[in-house]
Amino acid sequence: RKEVEQDPGPFNVPEGATVAFNCTYSNSASQSFFWYRQDCRKEPKLLMSVYSSGNEDGRFTAQLNRASQYISLLIRDSKLSDSATYLCVVTRSGSARQLTFGSGTQLTVLP
Amino acid sequence: SQTIHQWPATLVQPVGSPLSLECTVEGTSNPNLYWYRQAAGRGLQLLFYSVGIGQISSEVPQNLSASRPQDRQFILSSKKLLLSDSGFYLCAWLVERGQFFGPGTRLTVL
Repeated sequence: RKEVEQDPGPFNVPEGATVAFNCTYSNSASQSFFWYRQDCRKEPKLLMSVYSSGNEDGRFTAQLNRASQYISLLIRDSKLSDSATYLCVVTRSGSARQLTFGSGTQLTVLP
Repeated sequence: SQTIHQWPATLVQPVGSPLSLECTVEGTSNPNLYWYRQAAGRGLQLLFYSVGIGQISSEVPQNLSASRPQDRQFILSSKKLLLSDSGFYLCAWLVERGQFFGPGTRLTVL
């Protein structure tokens, strides 16, 4: 089983739609969680951290369920500029210094 | 301000040739630094990480090596490239909110 698994995608949604990505992780000792976005042929960029209580940043909402080892990202009112690959990231067990990346979910927002 | 540089941006090398990719950071001291590789259509694979000068940890056995000659410099090398070394090489450093990545080097081995 992969350490971090994501919806394979791709997701093709119209502008203005709400879209949700899911992610599961295998190691219950993981401590920190993030969502990154990666544009085509560019480096990943940190989108937001994910906190146990859930957190929101504008149109983006991230949630964490430690019992189910599940992370989600919700994007409301999708924009064309949201088109990218979204990477679910968790820290490795016992190490706050190393991150494990999911393979990513590709999102295309259509006009 | 904190920035991370990588060069070159793109590289085309023949099989069997050597490789040296450089990563430097500015605006920070004693950073944790990382080398990742992303093959086409795949996720990021951690290759090496370093917590200080001369301290290198390798994640996977491979054809590559890394060195940390200075606090803010991290180098990825190979003596003889393989076709399978093609990919997008990313340097990153650890900050409180996660890891920040350099712009990457796209390597094609022919």
